[in-house]
Amino acid sequence: AQTVTQSQPEMSVQEAETVTLSCTYDTSESDYYLFWYKQPPSRQMILVIRQEAYKQQNATENRFSVNFQKAAKSFSLKISDSQLGDAAMYFCAYAKGRGGSEKLVFGKGMKLTVNP
Amino acid sequence: DTGVSQDPRHKITKRGQNVTFRCDPISEHNRLYWYRQTLGQGPEFLTYFQNEAQLEKSRLLSDRFSAERPKGSFSTLEIQRTEQGDSAMYLCASSFTGNTIYFGEGSWLTVV
Repeated sequence: AQTVTQSQPEMSVQEAETVTLSCTYDTSESDYYLFWYKQPPSRQMILVIRQEAYKQQNATENRFSVNFQKAAKSFSLKISDSQLGDAAMYFCAYAKGRGGSEKLVFGKGMKLTVNP
Repeated sequence: DTGVSQDPRHKITKRGQNVTFRCDPISEHNRLYWYRQTLGQGPEFLTYFQNEAQLEKSRLLSDRFSAERPKGSFSTLEIQRTEQGDSAMYLCASSFTGNTIYFGEGSWLTVV
């Protein structure tokens, strides 16, 4: 079975600084997607960034980028120039297959606090 | 373009009662998913549909839980004879095959 592990339950960062959230996963599949979702206090899960396992290039979305290490099964999220609105729970998630729309397996999440 | 809509947003029920949640996916999304999330945990997969067919059902889903998507559009999740352990947020999500999964705002269930 696939598993996703987020070992840091909480982190804090100063506004405008950079923070890295870590995630490891376990799978025997060769085709899969990895995701970072953000869940602010309003509770709606919002996609931050996605990475296809077959792509070597790390995904980036504005201030968000990932460090995908396939051999190590590691998938970290870097948030640059942190903003107060980045404060939320962050979940790392995995989906097998090539499309990214198979069921998601989530980690336990990490609470990010952004200090002004 | 409306997002995934869930109703009701909050439900308080007495133990032993039945409850039903409704989810309206994003228009033309053929896949619809149900997840359950308890405080301090990540969402756990319950079941998902492609059109009206229920493709997978988690072992977490006891016989008291049933989900339907009769016409391949909206879906309902019914919990019979609710127990206190059913208290959680029930998340619905939708996607078009091969594309990003989008979540609704969730339906909070409190069983007293």
